[in-house]
Amino acid sequence: NAGVTQTPKFRILKIGQSMTLQCAQDMNHNYMYWYRQDPGMGLKLIYYSVGAGITDKGEVPNGYNVSRSTTEDFPLRLELAAPSQTSVYFCASSYRIREETQYFGPGTRLLVL
Amino acid sequence: RKEVEQDPGPFNVPEGATVAFNCTYSNSASQSFFWYRQDCRKEPKLLMSVYSSGNEDGRFTAQLNRASQYISLLIRDSKLSDSATYLCVVSSNDMRFGAGTRLTVKP
Repeated sequence: NAGVTQTPKFRILKIGQSMTLQCAQDMNHNYMYWYRQDPGMGLKLIYYSVGAGITDKGEVPNGYNVSRSTTEDFPLRLELAAPSQTSVYFCASSYRIREETQYFGPGTRLLVL
Repeated sequence: RKEVEQDPGPFNVPEGATVAFNCTYSNSASQSFFWYRQDCRKEPKLLMSVYSSGNEDGRFTAQLNRASQYISLLIRDSKLSDSATYLCVVSSNDMRFGAGTRLTVKP
């Protein structure tokens, strides 16, 4: 099993550009999550999904969108990139309840200039 | 007040030392507790869950004090490979992460 995979590993965006961060898991997990981690800060939940077709906002959803058309994939969309979105983005998944152990992908480093 | 607070460190200790980290949380309804480990520029990985009765995994011991709303992690006989950032995670309706405590174990 590859676990949780994320692409790209690193990206530089100009202000106002858009992009999609890809996330996939092959563990047949129902729950998937997107977090951002800023230097010296804890991970903040952006969006999460409890299954295909169901998504919900987390703590810091503004400026982002998600979709979950399959169990495996959970892409994160940035529509109008802003410098405040410079961060490291982690995708994670878990099998059942949200509080269960989460497995993280390797992260995407995003720099918005 | 942050929901989950940790001493950011850094803790610099020699090999073989015992080191302890504390973490406090504000939501008394929290039900699940974890310690995650995060190496530099890597993703967080589960180190251990924390149970009400306390639990041990090799050189690592985790304790929970619900009355005072804190959890702790004790590392005995520190190894160079223990150098990392340790994240306290507390869950009620969703998981809340502390900013982490950085540990450096030196020869």
